[in-house]
Amino acid sequence: AQSVAQPEDQVNVAEGNPLTVKCTYSVSGNPYLFWYVQYPNRGLQFLLKYITGDNLVKGSYGFEAEFNKSQTSFHLKKPSALVSDSALYFCAVRLNAGNNRKLIWGLGTSLAVNP
Amino acid sequence: GAGVSQTPSNKVTEKGKYVELRCDPISGHTALYWYRQSLGQGPEFLIYFQGTGAADDSGLPNDRFFAVRPEGSVSTLKIQRTERGDSAVYLCASSLTGDRVETQYFGPGTRLLVL
Repeated sequence: AQSVAQPEDQVNVAEGNPLTVKCTYSVSGNPYLFWYVQYPNRGLQFLLKYITGDNLVKGSYGFEAEFNKSQTSFHLKKPSALVSDSALYFCAVRLNAGNNRKLIWGLGTSLAVNP
Repeated sequence: GAGVSQTPSNKVTEKGKYVELRCDPISGHTALYWYRQSLGQGPEFLIYFQGTGAADDSGLPNDRFFAVRPEGSVSTLKIQRTERGDSAVYLCASSLTGDRVETQYFGPGTRLLVL
């Protein structure tokens, strides 16, 4: 079955430190990969996506993600965390097949950045 | 410009009642998606429209759920004979057809509570 795993329910980092939120996937073929962020009482906001090419993708708010095909991972990173980055982060994949547009989601990782 | 909007923001109903949830996509976006998100879970795909037609309704859980998009813009998700298990946040997203890999932009959601 196609699935996305976010192995950490919660990540805690100190402000100014680098952060990593992990994502691994189990899907067939070469999927497209996405990261979204969800703030309390607000909708999901798109951060970045991987389609093809350079394994390091840069996105909104200083976030970036590294695609690793051999490890089937797409970890989200930021060099220096801000308190305002505290939110719920979701990884999602889309199968690269025909007219498919369905996103398959992880369970989310809660990021807490401490001042 | 305006993002995806959803109404109502909250809906409380009784078991067995009928509900309608509305989604207004971003202007010009021809693709529209419905997901639902239960507490502590990632979003779960329900249905995807391309224009007026449902291109993929494989995620609708049963025949109590139905969605329409008669003019290719606003969409309504209809749930008949609601059950307590239908309680969730219902998310709508839209995307611009023509992008190589379309980004789905989400609305704030409708929180449905079935008593």
